[in-house]
Amino acid sequence: TQLLEQSPQFLSIQEGENLTVYCNSSSVFSSLQWYRQEPGEGPVLLVTVVTGGEVKKLKRLTFQFGDARKDSSLHITAAQPGDTGLYLCAGAPPSYNTDKLIFGTGTRLQVFP
Amino acid sequence: DAGITQSPRHKVTETGTPVTLRCHQTENHRYMYWYRQDPGHGLRLIHYSYGVKDTDKGEVSDGYSVSRSKTEDFLLTLESATSSQTSVYFCATQGAYEQYFGPGTRLTVT
Repeated sequence: TQLLEQSPQFLSIQEGENLTVYCNSSSVFSSLQWYRQEPGEGPVLLVTVVTGGEVKKLKRLTFQFGDARKDSSLHITAAQPGDTGLYLCAGAPPSYNTDKLIFGTGTRLQVFP
Repeated sequence: DAGITQSPRHKVTETGTPVTLRCHQTENHRYMYWYRQDPGHGLRLIHYSYGVKDTDKGEVSDGYSVSRSKTEDFLLTLESATSSQTSVYFCATQGAYEQYFGPGTRLTVT
């Protein structure tokens, strides 16, 4: 069974601070996605990374896929209260013919003004 | 926004009663999924569909069944609800790489 472990599970920070969330596995994934989920809503895709070592930036968010495609990180610069939410990583196993994603357990971020 | 709706959005039911949750999509996506989300467990796949009348089990399928008679609709049925099935249920469809999620159904089994 492929597992994706996220750390930290919870993070409470002040507005303006930087933070990094990690998503780790012992398995290789063909692609990895990051989602953000706000209370009472479904997860919304932030980014998909496909190539080992790939770095993608989305405004203040920087996503990196590990060289071996087993791990990923999400770095937020100068966090804002609007960044508050549950962040989920999800990996696509190499045998992706059945299109089943493996989801991490999530990191709950609270940014205080 | 992939145009996914779920109904009902909230439901309270008693142990032993059957419950059906509905997912409707407007994107003509082939793959559809039902997940449950519980604290400490993240999103867990219940069942999925890869086409009309084509379905398969996920990791937590016991006690659940699904049906897909049309591309746009995917139904999740709890044959006899139990308290352990109290959860938030999400439907999703598959795009090129990513999944698009509905707003969720909060189900409470008393």
